[in-house]
Amino acid sequence: EAGVAQSPRYKIIEKRQSVAFWCNPISGHATLYWYQQILGQGPKLLIQFQNNGVVDDSQLPKDRFSAERLKGVDSTLKIQPAKLEDSAVYLCASSRRREWELFFGEGSRLTVL
Amino acid sequence: ELKVEQNPLFLSMQEGKNYTIYCNYSTTSDRLYWYRQDPGKSLESLFVLLSNGAVKQEGRLMASLDTKARLSTLHITAAVHDLSATYFCAVDMNYGGSQGNLIFGKGTKLSVKP
Repeated sequence: EAGVAQSPRYKIIEKRQSVAFWCNPISGHATLYWYQQILGQGPKLLIQFQNNGVVDDSQLPKDRFSAERLKGVDSTLKIQPAKLEDSAVYLCASSRRREWELFFGEGSRLTVL
Repeated sequence: ELKVEQNPLFLSMQEGKNYTIYCNYSTTSDRLYWYRQDPGKSLESLFVLLSNGAVKQEGRLMASLDTKARLSTLHITAAVHDLSATYFCAVDMNYGGSQGNLIFGKGTKLSVKP
């Protein structure tokens, strides 16, 4: 089965610009997650969707980050305006509802100059 | 606040040797994951440990969970170069509710040398 797809793989922008990342989860997976992984650290959850709805966005910096999951499938994570400290890899993951295992995509690496 | 601490953070091993990576966490949770990450790659699930005393083995890696001590270990037996990677443990914050809010440790960067 196809894995979690993410794009773009790499993005370089200047601070105060905007950027968007796209994620297509594994077919049939109702739950979708966005994690942020800063260099040298473990990933940190930004937002969790169950189908169309947001389950947990407590760690999402809502003044600059937004995410949506239209039709309960693909998701987009947007940053506007970007700051230097947003440089990180943004990982999308998905899981079947009520199952335990998360499957991660290869990530989108953002560099903010 | 749930904290997850791994040690060591860096580990240089010789091929053929054994070693253990430790993962301590600060609050109650009965679900713990181990992931492997190669440079520039995503996270690969290695083990999911769901109960006290759980032990799982795959090849040269064995993971265990002691929920009373809030400790998980990842034991490496007779290391080979292909095991070189960063290993993360992660604890699920929402066990019993909606799962998936994983709190990760900082990772253990393992380098296996001939």
